[in-house]
Amino acid sequence: EPEVTQTPSHQVTQMGQEVILRCVPISNHLYFYWYRQILGQKVEFLVSFYNNEISEKSEIFDDQFSVERPDGSNFTLKIRSTKLEDSAMYFCASRSGTSGSDQYFGPGTRLLVL
Amino acid sequence: QQQVKQSPQSLIVQKGGIPIINCAYENTAFDYFPWYQQFPGKGPALLIAIRPDVSEKKEGRFTISFNKSAKQFSLHIMDSQPGDSATYFCAARKPARQLTFGSGTQLTVLP
Repeated sequence: EPEVTQTPSHQVTQMGQEVILRCVPISNHLYFYWYRQILGQKVEFLVSFYNNEISEKSEIFDDQFSVERPDGSNFTLKIRSTKLEDSAMYFCASRSGTSGSDQYFGPGTRLLVL
Repeated sequence: QQQVKQSPQSLIVQKGGIPIINCAYENTAFDYFPWYQQFPGKGPALLIAIRPDVSEKKEGRFTISFNKSAKQFSLHIMDSQPGDSATYFCAARKPARQLTFGSGTQLTVLP
């Protein structure tokens, strides 16, 4: 069964450093998303990406964040200068282009900013 | 208007019991309502989803009941097992938009 994959599974970084989180969405999917989940809280939307551009972003997704689809398979989230409050689980998700299609999540990257 | 309110926050049932988790929404533009199951340290896994043109959907031991007029939907887990112990999230989505999640319900099924 196709699945969304994410790397790394864990990332520890120092405050102010740049991190890149990587995702490989399901191969025939067209819509890609990043969400985050602070420990013990609900899943929050960060950004959606379609047709090689951002289609929507939340208030959380400020100028420190960027997304890219550098090739036909990878989808990345970059945090330019990490802050302590960026510590969270980051989930990538994807869905096909059909109306009402289901959205599938990857296993997540646990980011810890020290 | 974007919120999805979920209750209860936590739920404990005996094996074989039928836990029921409820969600309510305000925005009538939502047209897709999935439930996700999440184990500690893992990503949300899609369990079952419903669209507002049906009032009930069943997949295995999981059933969604949907009340469009009340703007509420619920998840029922039949014959619950200890392996069902997890956090359950409801969500809602407007057409071609991102998911808005509820706050989650931590379910414990006692053996």
